[in-house]
Formats: sequence, structure tokens, C-alpha cells
Amino acid sequence: DVVLTQTPPTLSATIGQSVSISCRSSQSLLDSDGDTYLNWLLQRPGQSPQLLIYSVSNLESGVPNRFSGSGSETDFTLKISGVEAEDLGVYYCMQATHAPYTFGAGTKLELK
Amino acid sequence: QVTLKESGPGILQPSQTLSLTCTFSGFSLSTYGMGVGWIRQPSGKGLEWLANIWWDDDKYYNPSLKNRLTISKDTSNNQAFLKITNVDTADTATYYCARTNWGRFAYWGQGTLVTVSS
Repeated sequence: DVVLTQTPPTLSATIGQSVSISCRSSQSLLDSDGDTYLNWLLQRPGQSPQLLIYSVSNLESGVPNRFSGSGSETDFTLKISGVEAEDLGVYYCMQATHAPYTFGAGTKLELK
Repeated sequence: QVTLKESGPGILQPSQTLSLTCTFSGFSLSTYGMGVGWIRQPSGKGLEWLANIWWDDDKYYNPSLKNRLTISKDTSNNQAFLKITNVDTADTATYYCARTNWGRFAYWGQGTLVTVSS
């Protein structure tokens, strides 16, 4: 199975601060069709996960453009350019290139 | 507008079979590239993908559940189903279904809490 290692596990930020979360994969997530199925999701307290970014860097419809994704093969990054209060929660990376699909352990974003 | 809603028994006893239903609207599971996935989350813990079913009836399973899973669909009634046999307390979790297309898990249901207890 593909192991996704997210760092840091916890992130403390002030409103307006820019932060980054890393997701490293145990194997390349480049699919044979040329796409890389690496997603970023946010789960706010008491809510279902919400897709933010798909295929490494594509912003899901309705998601603010302060969120951005980058990376390739095995190293990926989610950046939030100017944290807002509504961004607090747990961030997960998820790969859907290799079955079984797998999630990172999560990064909890808290207010400092 | 895409919506999904999970339903399940709420509580069941060890060794029983868990049957979950995902009722959705706003898309069809007969559309090329479309799929529905099941994901679960024990309270306070992370997410675990369980299974996916695709428009062409292809099915993927998480082998960690050792052949206990069966996923199916009813395209006419816009439903997808998941059965987990021989449950135990480790299967206690919130179960989500999500619409998937080409690896993109864009729409999630609200989740249904399943408790396994004697």
C-alpha cells in the first residue's frame, strides 16, 4: 500500500499567516494515464471532509484561491496564503492513483 | 446539485453483517468515469478508504478488510451499497460515501455513525 506521510502533525498559525503542509508518498503517484491523483481535503470540526485541491494543483470549484497545491511524483505541498478563521480543522492528503487508495494521517491547523 | 446521503443500522452486534446505503442525486452512476466510494472514520481518528464502484461496474476493495466487503449499485434508483460481514468493535466508525470521478473525491455525504456493541 502507498504510505502518505504528512508533516507537521499540528500547525499553529495566526490569522493572515501563510503556512504549508507537506505530503510525501512512499511511491510515485504519477498514473499511467499521465495524471497524478493527489488530493487535499479539509475536515472542519463536526463536518465531512471537503475537497480543496485535486490532481496536485487544481483548485476545486468554490474553494478560495488562497489555497494552492504543488509537487510531483512523491513530494507534494499544500499552501495557505493568509490563514482565515474558517480554515481551522484537519487537512488530509489522499492518493487515488494506486488501489487501495490511502490518506495521510492528517495535519491539525490551530489558532496560535 | 450533487448530494449524497448515507444510511445504516446505527447499532449492531459483533459477528453481524453491516449494510450501508448511499442515496445520491445530481449525477448518474451510468455516466462514463463516475464512481462512488466508501470511506470510514473512527471517532477522533483518520480516514480509511474501503471500496469504490465505477460506472462500468468495476470494483476496488481495500484488502486490509480481508474479503469482508461487498460493494454494489442500483443505477436506476441512484443508490450504492456496502456490506461488511462479521463486524466487531473495530468497525465502529462514521461511514461516508463520496462521488468520485478520475480520482477526484469532490462530493461527500454527511456520514452515518455505526456502533458495534454487544
